[in-house]
Amino acid sequence: DTGVSQDPRHKITKRGQNVTFRCDPISEHNRLYWYRQTLGQGPEFLTYFQNEAQLEKSRLLSDRFSAERPKGSFSTLEIQRTEQGDSAMYLCASSRDSLAGTQYFGPGTRLLVL
Amino acid sequence: GENVEQHPSTLSVQEGDSAVIKCTYSDSASNYFPWYKQELGKRPQLIIDIRSNVGEKKDQRIAVTLNKTAKHFSLHITETQPEDSAVYFCAASNNGNQFYFGTGTSLTVIP
Repeated sequence: DTGVSQDPRHKITKRGQNVTFRCDPISEHNRLYWYRQTLGQGPEFLTYFQNEAQLEKSRLLSDRFSAERPKGSFSTLEIQRTEQGDSAMYLCASSRDSLAGTQYFGPGTRLLVL
Repeated sequence: GENVEQHPSTLSVQEGDSAVIKCTYSDSASNYFPWYKQELGKRPQLIIDIRSNVGEKKDQRIAVTLNKTAKHFSLHITETQPEDSAVYFCAASNNGNQFYFGTGTSLTVIP
């Protein structure tokens, strides 16, 4: 499967714990995006990388959230001191520079904070 | 920042009829407008997109129209089939730097 992959697919954690999610984009895609989606809502943009550079970050993104893409390939999203309001689906997407905007989504990581 | 509004939130049509979903955006710098279909428990899938230098684009039963002056774009599905039932999201982007999504339209096609 050469599509976008995410790991884990599901995560249950207790409030206050830290969690880390991984995204592997389509191999030739330079751009990588993270979104959060709650039930009944559209994906909410969190942050975006072009290669290893983090170019955009939502103003809504708490300081507890951090993302990295150290070698311009896979990316990680960490949430520190999780809160119940962090429960959501976390989606990753990737795209090529040459087709800026045409992005493909991964299956998501569903987070439940108890 | 950009604000994307989507209507209606739910839509039911008889099989074979057409369905139309409308979105408006606020930022004139937005130049790329994709539409995604999301089935329950699955990832959003791109179904069609349009760039600001084009007014209309069609792919078989699906078409999208864009009015840059009025800042709105619409998805048209003709000859609907039960498998078209899903949630549809519109989005707006400025060169792929950020994407702003609408709140979704739950489409039900009644056999």
